[in-house]
Amino acid sequence: GQNIDQPTEMTATEGAIVQINCTYQTSGFNGLFWYQQHAGEAPTFLSYNVLDGLEEKGRFSSFLSRSKGYSYLLLKELQMKDSASYLCAVRDVNRDDKIIFGKGTRLHILP
Amino acid sequence: GAVVSQHPSRVICKSGTSVKIECRSLDFQATTMFWYRQFPKKSLMLMATSNEGSKATYEQGVEKDKFLINHASLTLSTLTVTSAHPEDSSFYICSAPLVSTIYFGEGSWLTVV
Repeated sequence: GQNIDQPTEMTATEGAIVQINCTYQTSGFNGLFWYQQHAGEAPTFLSYNVLDGLEEKGRFSSFLSRSKGYSYLLLKELQMKDSASYLCAVRDVNRDDKIIFGKGTRLHILP
Repeated sequence: GAVVSQHPSRVICKSGTSVKIECRSLDFQATTMFWYRQFPKKSLMLMATSNEGSKATYEQGVEKDKFLINHASLTLSTLTVTSAHPEDSSFYICSAPLVSTIYFGEGSWLTVV
């Protein structure tokens, strides 16, 4: 099976930093994705990690530890438009490279 | 611009009818496409994997006779919701992998009345 866990909701303040954690259990790990999804819209790609370490892309960074089955998405200098759901997804080579999503974390940004 | 195009974006149909949703990869070939369903405030649930030239593989609990998938070419996959019921009303979205990224279509809102 495959379990992907992330917090259901988080709240942060505009201008601050927030870290969204994701843990996973999979037999054939082949990459982890983070997506942002605004209500009623398609998800948009944020990051992809397949090796351990930190990937930085502007205000967003993503970290992966394969040995711990753990990733986080770090959002800096939060803006009101960052209010959205953040989806952690894992690709499993033992499941024909399917991409399975966690339940998502709804992030609320307060002014 | 869009890398994966999905059509229609919104559709309303009557109970008992069938609805077809198209998913096209633009400027690249997709031998595999994924179909997801998302209910309000819920996450994306993988329904099936569409494979060009062969049968789709369905996730547990998804009726293959109700959700027909056809991947007739390297750039087009279709999902047909047959004999639609109000409980099939949902957001359906396709995706296609390209290198280390998965691109999503715009999604299709289906309302069955």
